[in-house]
Amino acid sequence: GDSVTQMEGPVTLSEEAFLTINCTYTATGYPSLFWYVQYPGEGLQLLLKATKADDKGSNKGFEATYRKETTSFHLEKGSVQVSDSAVYFCALSDLILNQAGTALIFGKGTTLSVSS
Amino acid sequence: DADVTQTPRNRITKTGKRIMLECSQTKGHDRMYWYRQDPGLGLRLIYYSFDVKDINKGEISDGYSVSRQAQAKFSLSLESAIPNQTALYFCATSDPGTEGQETQYFGPGTRLLVL
Repeated sequence: GDSVTQMEGPVTLSEEAFLTINCTYTATGYPSLFWYVQYPGEGLQLLLKATKADDKGSNKGFEATYRKETTSFHLEKGSVQVSDSAVYFCALSDLILNQAGTALIFGKGTTLSVSS
Repeated sequence: DADVTQTPRNRITKTGKRIMLECSQTKGHDRMYWYRQDPGLGLRLIYYSFDVKDINKGEISDGYSVSRQAQAKFSLSLESAIPNQTALYFCATSDPGTEGQETQYFGPGTRLLVL
């Protein structure tokens, strides 16, 4: 079945450092891809998404490009801030066969810790 | 006010007890989901519902049941709680939109500890 693999953390960076969190996926169809972020003590919220190959999702300085040839959707940010400390989840939309909709398949999450 | 609310936010219970986690949403979405989050395992789908009359098992439904009381309410029950059901539980909603592109909106989570 479909699956998502993302780099294990924790990732520890200094403020203003460059961030990359790797995400690769396995899917039989053409899923949409998502990055969700979970700040301490909160639920998940959508950070960005891309719905087809070569699309770039971006938000709050974060970017990720849907690469079909490498089945990847790596998250990047040029200069991280302390407030970016959170857990980041890569996910894909999985078409539920015989159902009129999709569900999300999540990676295991990557914890990012940014120090000043 | 939050669009997706969950009650309780924290719960401690004993093995064998029945417990219900509740989720309410004001987004007007037809689709609702229950996930559990375990350290190092990400989120896994327990049950989902695409409308009031539709209930479906997810990846890890054993030991759980759900009730969709109304469009806005989706409850998760543990009929006889066991320690390995200790986890963080999230409710989510989504609107169909364009297939596969829908965004899911999550509640703040319920932290459950089963002793």
